[in-house]
Amino acid sequence: GDSVTQMEGPVTLSEEAFLTINCTYTATGYPSLFWYVQYPGEGLQLLLKATKADDKGSNKGFEATYRKETTSFHLEKGSVQVSDSAVYFCALSDKGRRALTFGSGTRLQVQP
Amino acid sequence: SQTIHQWPATLVQPVGSPLSLECTVEGTSNPNLYWYRQAAGRGLQLLFYSVGIGQISSEVPQNLSASRPQDRQFILSSKKLLLSDSGFYLCAWLPTLAGSSYEQYFGPGTRLTVT
Repeated sequence: GDSVTQMEGPVTLSEEAFLTINCTYTATGYPSLFWYVQYPGEGLQLLLKATKADDKGSNKGFEATYRKETTSFHLEKGSVQVSDSAVYFCALSDKGRRALTFGSGTRLQVQP
Repeated sequence: SQTIHQWPATLVQPVGSPLSLECTVEGTSNPNLYWYRQAAGRGLQLLFYSVGIGQISSEVPQNLSASRPQDRQFILSSKKLLLSDSGFYLCAWLPTLAGSSYEQYFGPGTRLTVT
């Protein structure tokens, strides 16, 4: 079945550092890919998405490119802020059930 | 605009007690609805999804059940809670409009602790 693999955390960075969180997937067909963010004690918020190969999703300085050849959707940000501290989830959609398969999440801690 | 509500926000229940968590969506009609569970330190697991009133699909065998009595209401229940039912329960909805990229929108969640 479908699966998503994320790098394990926690990832600890200093403010203004460059961020990469790796995500790879296994799926049949051509899923849509997502990054969701979860702040402490809250539900999930959609951060960005990409629906086909070579699409680049971007939001709030975060970017991720749908790479079909490497089945990857790595999340990047050029300069992180303390307010970016959260858990980040990579996910793909199953177009049959229209359900999401999530990675295990990566906790990001940004220190001032 | 659309909003999704979940209640209660937190719940502490003894083992063997019943459970009822409610989720409602406003501002849309005929959405797909989902229940996910997030166990401590782990990712999200899909529990149930529904494409319409009375239509429930279960993803994981367990002592939980779901119902959809109205178009925009989704309920998660249990007759007897287990310790392993503790976790953060998230409801989500998906618009069923043609051309949707299938992104789901999540509620604020219910944190359940079974003691």
